[in-house]
Formats: sequence, structure tokens, C-alpha cells
Amino acid sequence: AQSVTQPDIHITVSEGASLELRCNYSYGATPYLFWYVQSPGQGLQLLLKYFSGDTLVQGIKGFEAEFKRSQSSFNLRKPSVHWSDAAEYFCAVGETDKLIFGTGTRLQVFP
Amino acid sequence: DAEITQSPRHKITETGRQVTLACHQTWNHNNMFWYRQDLGHGLRLIHYSYGVQDTNKGEVSDGYSVSRSNTEDLPLTLESAASSQTSVYFCASSEMVTGSQHNTGELFFGEGSRLTVL
Repeated sequence: AQSVTQPDIHITVSEGASLELRCNYSYGATPYLFWYVQSPGQGLQLLLKYFSGDTLVQGIKGFEAEFKRSQSSFNLRKPSVHWSDAAEYFCAVGETDKLIFGTGTRLQVFP
Repeated sequence: DAEITQSPRHKITETGRQVTLACHQTWNHNNMFWYRQDLGHGLRLIHYSYGVQDTNKGEVSDGYSVSRSNTEDLPLTLESAASSQTSVYFCASSEMVTGSQHNTGELFFGEGSRLTVL
């Protein structure tokens, strides 16, 4: 079965520091890959997606992610974190007919 | 602007009662999904639909049902609510992707319905 692993349950960073959230997937063919963000009490908002082409994908709010087929990874990065980035982040892989989500990484940002 | 709305946003019910959570989208998307979100489990797929009269089971479908009578709505019914179904439920929709091995692209989510079963 296809799966998504987010190994970090909780990450804490200082405002202005760089950020990398890890995501590993299991999928036999070329995957569709997504990163979503969820603020408290809200639904999920798409940050970025990879379908094909350039393996470095730019998203909203200054986020980017790099698809590495050899490592089955799609890590999310941001060079300088803002306090408003505190939220839960979900990686997802698109199967043929649905999306499978990881368990999420909660990001806490200290001033 | 197109949107996806869920109702009610909060509901408390008792064990054994039937509960229906509504989901309405104005994106005109063919694909609709119901997920539940629980601590430590992320989002797990309950049911999904590719169009009118089409429904499919997800990984945690036991105790839940859906019906799709039109493009805009996919109500989720808990026939006999159980305490294990206390959760936050999210509805989502997406376009049908053509010309690809994938049928589903980006999901657009509602704001969630928090259900408590006592």
C-alpha cells in the first residue's frame, strides 16, 4: 500500500531561522506530491504541489520543496521562518484516485 | 468565489444516534472526499465519490455511509454513532484529472466539523 511518512511529530524553531520538514513516500509510479498547512481550527490550505517537471517547486508564503526520486522524499523548506508560520504541516501523495496524507508535523515558532 | 462549506461546524450527540454531516461545494468539481482527523493519525479517508451516483470506500469506512445525488453535495452519515467516531471531519473536492494515471489533483478543503459522541 502507498504511504507517507513524516518522521518529525513536532519541530520548534526560532523566528528567522531556516526550516526543513521531512516527508518520505512509498509509491510505485510517478507520484503527485503535495504539502498542505493547517492553522488552528481551520481547514487545510495547499502550499505547493509537484506533478512533473522541475523537481524544485515554489509555493505560497515563501515555501519550496524538492522532489528527490532516489530518496523517495519531498522535503519542505523555508529560508527564514515567521511567527505566523506556526501551524501543522501535512505531506500527501496522490494515488491513482485519492490522496494519502502523512500524520503531520506541528511547527512551533519562538520569537 | 467558489467554496466548500460544511455544517454543522460543531455537534455533540449520544451513542447510537444517527448523525449527518453536510458538505456543499460550488467549485463544480466531480471528485469529493470525506476525511477524519485524529491526533497521531493525520487525515484518514472515509469515503469518496467521482460523480453523481458514484461512491467508494476509503480506509476507515466502517460505520459511515455517503450518497451523491448531485454534483454539489456529499453528506456523510453515521448510522449509529460510537464514541470512537469522535473526531474532526473534513470534506474536500477536486477536479478530475485527465490524460494521466491520476484521477485526482489538488484538494480544496472545508473548514471541518467537530463531532463529539458521548
